Amino acid sequence: EAQVTQNPRYLITVTGKKLTVTCSQNMNHEYMSWYRQDPGLGLRQIYYSMNVEVTDKGDVPEGYKVSRKEKRNFPLILESPSPNQTSLYFCASSQGQGGYTFGSGTRLTVV
Amino acid sequence: GNSVTQMEGPVTLSEEAFLTINCTYTATGYPSLFWYVQYPGEGLQLLLKATKADDKGSNKGFEATYRKETTSFHLEKGSVQVSDSAVYFCALSRTGGSYIPTFGRGTSLIVHP
Repeated sequence: EAQVTQNPRYLITVTGKKLTVTCSQNMNHEYMSWYRQDPGLGLRQIYYSMNVEVTDKGDVPEGYKVSRKEKRNFPLILESPSPNQTSLYFCASSQGQGGYTFGSGTRLTVV
Repeated sequence: GNSVTQMEGPVTLSEEAFLTINCTYTATGYPSLFWYVQYPGEGLQLLLKATKADDKGSNKGFEATYRKETTSFHLEKGSVQVSDSAVYFCALSRTGGSYIPTFGRGTSLIVHP
């Protein structure tokens, strides 16, 4: 089944403790992206990648890092999480104008 | 820059009512347009798309027509069901080859029996 898999689905962590949210797609898509979803703010793009080793900042990149060493994986790294990064995160992938396939989401709480 | 504006929700309807969710956009060039749906507790799913002016996208009884003259892509359904309750996002793909979408803020639809 074609899908984008994110892990974990739920995560509670403490301020300053580094964490990684993994994202993997099995569709050989070139484009991958991370979004955060917050009430009243809709979806905001954090980072995106147009191919292996090609990444760029989205609208809200501060406090996040990404890497794209392989085509299928696009992890999101929070080096020093803070409470304002409490949010619902989505990974998505696409092969072009056909639209994006989204993962099921990761609900992160930073206390 | 590119932007998408959707009507504010929530939209509350009775079952079998007619649905319209308005979406207008601002973009350079000729973007593709999309509607995504997010059911409670899930990620977004592509509902329908249109890639050029006057194209009509359709799926699951939903339709939207790409109107370049009014820069709109309104979502419609003739008879909604309780199972259509969800958040609907209008989006456009950026021009210039990156295909990175710009999303609207989403419109919540609540359908009562």
